[in-house]
Amino acid sequence: GESVGLHLPTLSVQEGDNSIINCAYSNSASDYFIWYKQESGKGPQFIIDIRSNMDKRQGQRVTVLLNKTVKHLSLQIAATQPGDSAVYFCAETSFNDKVIFGPGTSLSVIP
Amino acid sequence: GAVVSQHPSRVICKSGTSVKIECRSLDFQATTMFWYRQFPKQSLMLMATSNEGSKATYEQGVEKDKFLINHASLTLSTLTVTSAHPEDSSFYICSARGDRGRTQYFGPGTRLTVL
Repeated sequence: GESVGLHLPTLSVQEGDNSIINCAYSNSASDYFIWYKQESGKGPQFIIDIRSNMDKRQGQRVTVLLNKTVKHLSLQIAATQPGDSAVYFCAETSFNDKVIFGPGTSLSVIP
Repeated sequence: GAVVSQHPSRVICKSGTSVKIECRSLDFQATTMFWYRQFPKQSLMLMATSNEGSKATYEQGVEKDKFLINHASLTLSTLTVTSAHPEDSSFYICSARGDRGRTQYFGPGTRLTVL
């Protein structure tokens, strides 16, 4: 299987602040991107997705930005709460429907 | 939202035995199911893709005779780890996707420990 990276980057933010989690994707042919949240010992939970014909999409407290020029994806979480502490994965997929996960970022919220 | 379950959630077995993990889509028909393996502090690694009624497609480096996948119905896929060894100890996660949209919904995972 494919994956990228073996070490989890970490991000610590103060409760109430905004969080920005970044992801560089690898396949220029990817046309659908998803952010997942994974809590310890659990499966990934869908947060938000975006298609390649968009550059921004907003959900509840979350915004995903897509920059296809530099193959960069970001997840912004507004007013970060302790319950947001988890590992966040970006994922990309293309015509063959194989979903490739990024290395993940561990978000730690400081009360 | 779409719900995917896995059973068992945890399993401990002796080296050399086989272990079967079930993945079910509870409220939708999953035309495609995926099996992933995740080691501690690492990302999810796709092992195989299965479509209902056909043979699974395995990723490079994944032994199909060791990791048997059966997608017998639109709501059930099973992964059997045959002759398990300690290095097979990992967190196994399935996901399912319906025939509409491209979002995969993940199960809660199965923690396999081989002694």
